[in-house]
Amino acid sequence: KQEVTQIPAALSVPEGENLVLNCSFTDSAIYNLQWFRQDPGKGLTSLLLIQSSQREQTSGRLNASLDKSSGRSTLYIAASQPGDSATYLCAVRPDQGGKLIFGQGTELSVKP
Amino acid sequence: EAGVTQSPTHLIKTRGQQATLRCSPISGHTSVYWYQQALGLGLQFLLWYDEGEERNRGNFPPRFSGRQFPNYSSELNVNALELEDSALYLCASSRRGQLVQETQYFGPGTRLLVL
Repeated sequence: KQEVTQIPAALSVPEGENLVLNCSFTDSAIYNLQWFRQDPGKGLTSLLLIQSSQREQTSGRLNASLDKSSGRSTLYIAASQPGDSATYLCAVRPDQGGKLIFGQGTELSVKP
Repeated sequence: EAGVTQSPTHLIKTRGQQATLRCSPISGHTSVYWYQQALGLGLQFLLWYDEGEERNRGNFPPRFSGRQFPNYSSELNVNALELEDSALYLCASSRRGQLVQETQYFGPGTRLLVL
């Protein structure tokens, strides 16, 4: 059974720091991995999607990497800003059944 | 381009009642997914509709059901509401769900409170 874990559960950093969020999954047989952002009480905003054949994806200050064999992904945020404060979720697509399996998220707080 | 929309934003019901939640996908998207985000349980997959058909469902009882209309909008029905059904219900859409490389785009959610 596929399980997704995110560490740490919460992270507080000063503005301007570079930071890394971690995501691990137990079964390497995935189609893709997606990183999302969720603001309190809101829906999810898709940040990056990495296909199983890819090693990384970049969008602006965000860079996500994927190592399928070790069951790990990282989300790197450069030069963090207070507006980056949110919960970050990773999710894997394990099969063609449509579903995403989510981790519990990392709650990020960037202090001015 | 308009994103995924959901209605209502909030819904308050009592135990035993039925709740109906609605979702309109992004224009051009044919797949709709429903997820439940309950406190302490994280996001869990509920249902997937594509081209009007139910393609997959998560580990939820049959009182969770839904349908997809010809215009690809979708409805989630929850019968015989229980207190633990209180959660944020998120709808997502994608182009042709069978294409596994497609991104799922999420709506703002409907917050259901069961009293």
